[in-house]
Amino acid sequence: AQSVTQPDIHITVSEGASLELRCNYSYGATPYLFWYVQSPGQGLQLLLKYFSGDTLVQGIKGFEAEFKRSQSSFNLRKPSVHWSDAAEYFCAVGARSGGGADGLTFGKGTHLIIQP
Amino acid sequence: NAGVTQTPKFRVLKTGQSMTLLCAQDMNHEYMYWYRQDPGMGLRLIHYSVGEGTTAKGEVPDGYNVSRLKKQNFLLGLESAAPSQTSVYFCASNERDRGYSPLHFGNGTRLTVT
Repeated sequence: AQSVTQPDIHITVSEGASLELRCNYSYGATPYLFWYVQSPGQGLQLLLKYFSGDTLVQGIKGFEAEFKRSQSSFNLRKPSVHWSDAAEYFCAVGARSGGGADGLTFGKGTHLIIQP
Repeated sequence: NAGVTQTPKFRVLKTGQSMTLLCAQDMNHEYMYWYRQDPGMGLRLIHYSVGEGTTAKGEVPDGYNVSRLKKQNFLLGLESAAPSQTSVYFCASNERDRGYSPLHFGNGTRLTVT
């Protein structure tokens, strides 16, 4: 079974500074990888996904993530954060078998705080 | 374009009461899911369905039942609510894909059991 670790429960970043949120996964092969964002009182919105090919993937809102097989990581980055980026961020993995039918396994989330 | 709609948005139950949460999607998605979200725990899969008339257990199924009588609807039932079921419940759906179709989420149902 796959698992996801997000080592940082909370991260505080100044507005305009760069951001990196860490995600490590455990899976027997290369999984499907996702980052979701959750604003307060809302559901989860897909930021980006990695299936195969180029290991640097671009997402919405200026986010990108890099898949590193050797480190079993899929870290999320943004060059310059905005106050509206304050939210909860979830990394998730999906198994290659099953065709997307058995759901995603989520990390516990990283709460991003933006200070002026 | 409603996407995934959950009702109700909020509910307070007393221990032992029952209730049903409704999830409806208008995207003709094949697969549907119920997750619960608890502080510090992320999202955990309760039950899921790979098509009309089918259901399967996820990671934390105890105390819950589900039904998928129509493709667009996925119901989550609590027969006898317990305080441990106080949580935020999210429904999600995706389509059958040779790869992996990303999940679309509803806005959640906040349930408190006293």
